[in-house]
Amino acid sequence: DQQVKQNSPSLSVQEGRISILNCDYTNSMFDYFLWYKKYPAEGPTFLISISSIKDKNEDGRFTVFLNKSAKHLSLHIVPSQPGDSAVYFCAASGSTNAGKSTFGDGTTLTVKP
Amino acid sequence: ETGVTQTPRHLVMGMTNKKSLKCEQHLGHNAMYWYKQSAKKPLELMFVYNFKEQTENNSVPSRFSPECPNSSHLFLHLHTLQPEDSALYLCASSQERGGGVGNEKLFFGSGTQLSVL
Repeated sequence: DQQVKQNSPSLSVQEGRISILNCDYTNSMFDYFLWYKKYPAEGPTFLISISSIKDKNEDGRFTVFLNKSAKHLSLHIVPSQPGDSAVYFCAASGSTNAGKSTFGDGTTLTVKP
Repeated sequence: ETGVTQTPRHLVMGMTNKKSLKCEQHLGHNAMYWYKQSAKKPLELMFVYNFKEQTENNSVPSRFSPECPNSSHLFLHLHTLQPEDSALYLCASSQERGGGVGNEKLFFGSGTQLSVL
């Protein structure tokens, strides 16, 4: 059973508009959530994270929202830029070891000029 | 050179070959990992090393053999692989502080795209 799910394989938005990427998890022991971004031929790079004691974390154009009761988190990108086009992975961790993060399948975001 | 470096970037091997993937991190981190990404599947954790000691083997077949000679280097030795082992193999590192304070982010290399014929 997949514990972290990103149900939308792809998302296309117009430049300047908001991109919303969603992620659901099933394991209530997860207490730390991360988003990674991946360009072709490169490894994933860390984007933003949130601890379960918070419901929102913001970093520039990127905001992550956490709804613990719904076991749902989302990444908002405002305004979206063509350079944001990439695969976005949601990850969740329930231990002190980041390497034990469980990843979702990823969502391919395309931002059209 | 900074970050996490993986070599080779691409590898094609036959099922009877023996090859090794190499990873080096220049970040001073104390934990290193091997992840596998198959087509249309999420990243799967394979091995975890903390302070050069293997702390996790995620039910990986014995045809994959990791080696961590020091906290900066990590190898993945491959032998008698199967075509279904074709995937992107990613190395990552992190600085684990332990004591419940961890949850550090991962720093990934660019990966080795492996094709087994």
